[in-house]
Amino acid sequence: NAGVTQTPKFQVLKTGQSMTLQCAQDMNHEYMSWYRQDPGMGLRLIHYSVGAGITDQGEVPNGYNVSRSTTEDFPLRLLSAAPSQTSVYFCASSTETEAFFGQGTRLTVV
Amino acid sequence: AQSVTQLDSQVPVFEEAPVELRCNYSSSVSVYLFWYVQYPNQGLQLLLKYLSGSTLVKGINGFEAEFNKSQTSFHLRKPSVHISDTAEYFCAVIRDSNYQLIWGAGTKLIIKP
Repeated sequence: NAGVTQTPKFQVLKTGQSMTLQCAQDMNHEYMSWYRQDPGMGLRLIHYSVGAGITDQGEVPNGYNVSRSTTEDFPLRLLSAAPSQTSVYFCASSTETEAFFGQGTRLTVV
Repeated sequence: AQSVTQLDSQVPVFEEAPVELRCNYSSSVSVYLFWYVQYPNQGLQLLLKYLSGSTLVKGINGFEAEFNKSQTSFHLRKPSVHISDTAEYFCAVIRDSNYQLIWGAGTKLIIKP
């Protein structure tokens, strides 16, 4: 029972590079979301989706894009990486009363 | 705007001692309340949740929390901590079951031998 799978676990990017963080869930949840976690700031919502074809911005969307072509997959794209995007990124898949998290992606932008 | 406040960024406690991690939220509407735990270099795992009913909620690993509507609090407690409880603990709320979690900044529980 995989739950929420995120890849890669670690990534180092140079400033200006682009990349996609992958997220897949096998629980058939409609709601999925991306967070970034920074020390002392808890988790901040980047983007979320309430179903295939529907996405919306969260608290800190700038510099990130998402798409939701299937229920299972919710990739996060960094368009032009900046050092301020150095963080740990978590994908979550949710029911109305619980969120299930992936193991996270630790991203460093140099 | 709705917010969640975790009053302590770190809580050091001796092994086998009791612990309380504090969480207050601001909301004038019904909320669902959660505590998540994050072990070092891991993802987040649900510890317990309050949806309705009894205000005392029991979770995994011997933790419990009490919902206090008048004080808008949802403090987490454990009567005797172990070294394996070393982790960061996050309080969160969902307002009106709209799926979006609002998070506290987290509390690091440090167990002293």
